[in-house]
Amino acid sequence: DVKVTQSSRYLVKRTGEKVFLECVQDMDHENMFWYRQDPGLGLRLIYFSYDVKMKEKGDIPEGYSVSREKKERFSLILESASTNQTSMYLCASSLGGVAISMANEKLFFGSGTQLSVL
Amino acid sequence: RKEVEQDPGPFNVPEGATVAFNCTYSNSASQSFFWYRQDCRKEPKLLMSVYSSGNEDGRFTAQLNRASQYISLLIRDSKLSDSATYLCVVRSAGNNRKLIWGLGTSLAVNP
Repeated sequence: DVKVTQSSRYLVKRTGEKVFLECVQDMDHENMFWYRQDPGLGLRLIYFSYDVKMKEKGDIPEGYSVSREKKERFSLILESASTNQTSMYLCASSLGGVAISMANEKLFFGSGTQLSVL
Repeated sequence: RKEVEQDPGPFNVPEGATVAFNCTYSNSASQSFFWYRQDCRKEPKLLMSVYSSGNEDGRFTAQLNRASQYISLLIRDSKLSDSATYLCVVRSAGNNRKLIWGLGTSLAVNP
């Protein structure tokens, strides 16, 4: 079964710190995604990537950047953490590929990182 | 109007009950539809993809109504372990492959 691993389950940082959230998947998936989930707002897409060294902005990219130097690893970076970035961060991957099919689109999520910025 | 809308609930039902959730979507050109399940403080997991002809997996049945732009999830013979939030997900039209997530419907199955 696909495993998506996020480096930390809980993280506490101070305002202004640079924060790295790491995500690794072990099934050679093409697509990787970073979401944040907040009560009442649901899942919101921050950034996604369809290939190594490729990235695209999601719906709320402001204050974030990403890096995908290797296919299996997708990192989310908060350049200068702020209190409004306190949230649950979820990484996901999917098989992807040129053909769009239900199977290719199935998302596998990591267990999430609860980030608190004080 | 939100692109994907769900009744947040909570739906409180006794064990053994049949319960149904609907999810409406605004873009008539949407192409793929899914139900994910999310347990409290856990990550979402795919429950079912929703096919045009409808599909069934054990106690779960998913239907798509393109004319009225909604998908439904029916759970028969509810179990305590079905208690969770059910998230409706729609892939937007076009080639951007982005998924649009509903806010979820909360289900509590009571003994």
